[in-house]
Amino acid sequence: GAGVSQSPSNKVTEKGKDVELRCDPISGHTALYWYRQSLGQGLEFLIYFQGNSAPDKSGLPSDRFSAERTGGSVSTLTIQRTQQEDSAVYLCASSAGTGVYFGPGTRLTVT
Amino acid sequence: QKEVEQNSGPLSVPEGAIASLNCTYSDRGSQSFFWYRQYSGKSPELIMSIYSNGDKEDGRFTAQLNKASQYVSLLIRDSQPSDSATYLCAVHNAGNNRKLIWGLGTSLGVNP
Repeated sequence: GAGVSQSPSNKVTEKGKDVELRCDPISGHTALYWYRQSLGQGLEFLIYFQGNSAPDKSGLPSDRFSAERTGGSVSTLTIQRTQQEDSAVYLCASSAGTGVYFGPGTRLTVT
Repeated sequence: QKEVEQNSGPLSVPEGAIASLNCTYSDRGSQSFFWYRQYSGKSPELIMSIYSNGDKEDGRFTAQLNKASQYVSLLIRDSQPSDSATYLCAVHNAGNNRKLIWGLGTSLGVNP
């Protein structure tokens, strides 16, 4: 079956621009996570959606970051007024409760 | 105290040896435990899950869980150079939201 997909795979943007990153989870998975990973670093938790519960936004680094999940499926992570320190790989993962499955990630470069 | 702790390594083992990776967690009520492998430049990949005390074997991999000691380990038998990667431990939070909590990973190098 289809795994988690993310788009775009790469995004280069100028400092100050807004970007949207998309995640299509595995069908039927109720949980969805967004993580950020800088080169050589661990996973940085950003936000967690679980079914119809209010999302856990405790990992969002600033109010420039927001995410939504429409219809319990597709999710979009939006970064406003991007900064160079936002450059990283953004990973989406989904779960049905027995481990999470990651997408290939979006590599974001802010110039 | 970090919620999930791993030695960062690097851990270096010769080809054919057993690699032992360790993870401790702070939430005594945690129920589900996972090991992921991440190759450089790739996404993490689920390799083992374990839910009850004892050992669980899958090919060359064995996960060991000791809830009393809040300890979970991963053994890789007959290590191969292709096992060289970062290994991440993840634990399901026992709270209502069941959020997955991650260790920072242990870098493993297998030398031919």
